[in-house]
Amino acid sequence: DAGVIQSPRHEVTEMGQEVTLRCKPISGHNSLFWYRQTMMRGLELLIYFNNNVPIDDSGMPEDRFSAKMPNASFSTLKIQPSEPRDSAVYFCASSLDGAQAQHFGDGTRLSIL
Amino acid sequence: AQSVTQLGSHVSVSEGALVLLRCNYSSSVPPYLFWYVQYPNQGLQLLLKYTSAATLVKGINGFEAEFKKSETSFHLTKPSAHMSDAAEYFCAVSEGGGAQKLVFGQGTRLTINP
Repeated sequence: DAGVIQSPRHEVTEMGQEVTLRCKPISGHNSLFWYRQTMMRGLELLIYFNNNVPIDDSGMPEDRFSAKMPNASFSTLKIQPSEPRDSAVYFCASSLDGAQAQHFGDGTRLSIL
Repeated sequence: AQSVTQLGSHVSVSEGALVLLRCNYSSSVPPYLFWYVQYPNQGLQLLLKYTSAATLVKGINGFEAEFKKSETSFHLTKPSAHMSDAAEYFCAVSEGGGAQKLVFGQGTRLTINP
């Protein structure tokens, strides 16, 4: 079975540009999570969805960040405008209900110049 | 609120030696506990999970962990380290039942010396 698929794997862009990260969860999973990983702050949960509905976005750093899940097989995380401090690896993960284990994608390494 | 503390950000062992990575948790309800491994340039991969069944949990790649409620610990062990075990390891806790969020520790980088 295909795992969680993220695109792009790498993104380099200039400050001020809009960045869109994409995620396809595992088929049949109904929860989706976006994380950010940096050396300084470790792994941070940004937002998670259950049945396509945002449940907790308290980890979203500021209004420049937004996430959508228009259907069960696709989610986006958007940063507009981007800033150098947004440089990090962004992971998407999915799971079934009931605190089942989360399955992670390989991440998007984002560099904002 | 749940929290996780991993003791030791770096652990180094010799090939063939015992691996012990420490994790202590804080939870107001019976927890679900997880260990994940992350290899360079990859996402996190589940090693094992505890969900209130047997307290000794066996995972992939020869790893196991024991849930000790009295010590609020969930340490990860492997009897004999292999070079391929070099990676970063994360302990995580969630609330039981239908709770979705995981709280991760800061990670422990395991180095294997030949």
